[in-house]
Amino acid sequence: GAVVSQHPSWVICKSGTSVKIECRSLDFQATTMFWYRQFPKQSLMLMATSNEGSKATYEQGVEKDKFLINHASLTLSTLTVTSAHPEDSSFYICSVPSGGATEAFFGQGTRLTVV
Amino acid sequence: GNSVTQMEGPVTLSEEAFLTINCTYTATGYPSLFWYVQYPGEGLQLLLKATKADDKGSNKGFEATYRKETTSFHLEKGSVQVSDSAVYFCARNNYGQNFVFGPGTRLSVLP
Repeated sequence: GAVVSQHPSWVICKSGTSVKIECRSLDFQATTMFWYRQFPKQSLMLMATSNEGSKATYEQGVEKDKFLINHASLTLSTLTVTSAHPEDSSFYICSVPSGGATEAFFGQGTRLTVV
Repeated sequence: GNSVTQMEGPVTLSEEAFLTINCTYTATGYPSLFWYVQYPGEGLQLLLKATKADDKGSNKGFEATYRKETTSFHLEKGSVQVSDSAVYFCARNNYGQNFVFGPGTRLSVLP
């Protein structure tokens, strides 16, 4: 069964609204989770590292005030896309590393379309 | 910095053809290497992995060998099926457990 559950799997929203995406680790506690973004026909790019109980670490070029990350518990991280615009339309996917840095489990992904 | 380069598609093959998707990585330290597959409309699934030089990862008829001397991790399958149509991503892990992905290779297998 799934190790990581991501919700919703797809969402359509209007420009200017905010959208929250949840990522849950089902089988184990995760002090760290990662958020990636995948534009059409492109690869996944790391957006940020979500740290339980502390601030997220954002990759260069990712606006922290636009992509709010909250990692309030060891099994849940949320990504909120604030004031969404059409250029934010993308596939967002979270991952939870396994022990030993040799693997990661990925959520099902969320396809966001901003109209 | 760390990067992964892979053969860009799309790749179109007939059923039962031989598949090779090339992948090379920049080597800092001793990363683990992975192939992930993304079926239409779905998230990533781990296909296979190798954690050290000369390791061979294999799954569902796919194989890849970690070649340190050529910094490569090419994906192969002897006889592809229509159900193998997907996007394949080569990846390496970084210290801190996030991943660096290649650009992805879209494979279409025709009956």
